[in-house]
Amino acid sequence: QVQLMQSGAEVKKPGASVKVSCKASGYTFTSYYIHWVRQAPGQGLEWMGIINPSGGSTNYAQKFQGRVTMTRDTSTSTVYMELSSLRSEDTAVYYCARGPGGGGGYWYFDLWGRGTLVTVSS
Amino acid sequence: QSVLTQPPSVSAAPGQKVTISCSGSSSNIGNNYVSWYQQLPGTAPKLLIYDNNKRPSGIPDRFSGSKSGTSATLGITGLQTGDEADYYCGTWDSSLSGNWVFGGGTKLTVL
Repeated sequence: QVQLMQSGAEVKKPGASVKVSCKASGYTFTSYYIHWVRQAPGQGLEWMGIINPSGGSTNYAQKFQGRVTMTRDTSTSTVYMELSSLRSEDTAVYYCARGPGGGGGYWYFDLWGRGTLVTVSS
Repeated sequence: QSVLTQPPSVSAAPGQKVTISCSGSSSNIGNNYVSWYQQLPGTAPKLLIYDNNKRPSGIPDRFSGSKSGTSATLGITGLQTGDEADYYCGTWDSSLSGNWVFGGGTKLTVL
């Protein structure tokens, strides 16, 4: 069925990096953008950025530029989100979400992964 | 502090109607489509409304969306206990470098 399957929970030390995967199935991987959204404990949703699986182009939220890298592997229909220089404030559930292509004004997220908990602690 | 402003909480009795507001500006809601998401406790968000007022297949017509100027509204009629959740609005913000933005979220309690 149509789904996004995310990798398992991670525990990292401050200053380390984490790489979360999101494997798409049940639809044409290159026909939809993939977004990353995170949610700190008890907090709201925060958009991190987007990758176009077709060409690999990315657009990162200003807050994360320089620390986040999104890549994709079309052979396995998988998108990756790597966040570096981790700090305690990065402790959150990280979601991948599918959305239509085109400009930002037309975006929405119609399919979500179950989320990956990343805990940053010394 | 979110760019989009939502009330922290709303409540209503089963069977009643509730509305959740989402206030923004001309750089976001005023010139872009709005979508709404429902997040049940411990689960991933789910798309309820896109393009201001369209419902994905499988979303009951108890849920509706509207937009006027720089504000958007989610309406839920015939409230059920299963509707207790957090609700988020979202849209593109064309100011600065351009970002997708979410509202701070509204906790719906069905009394």
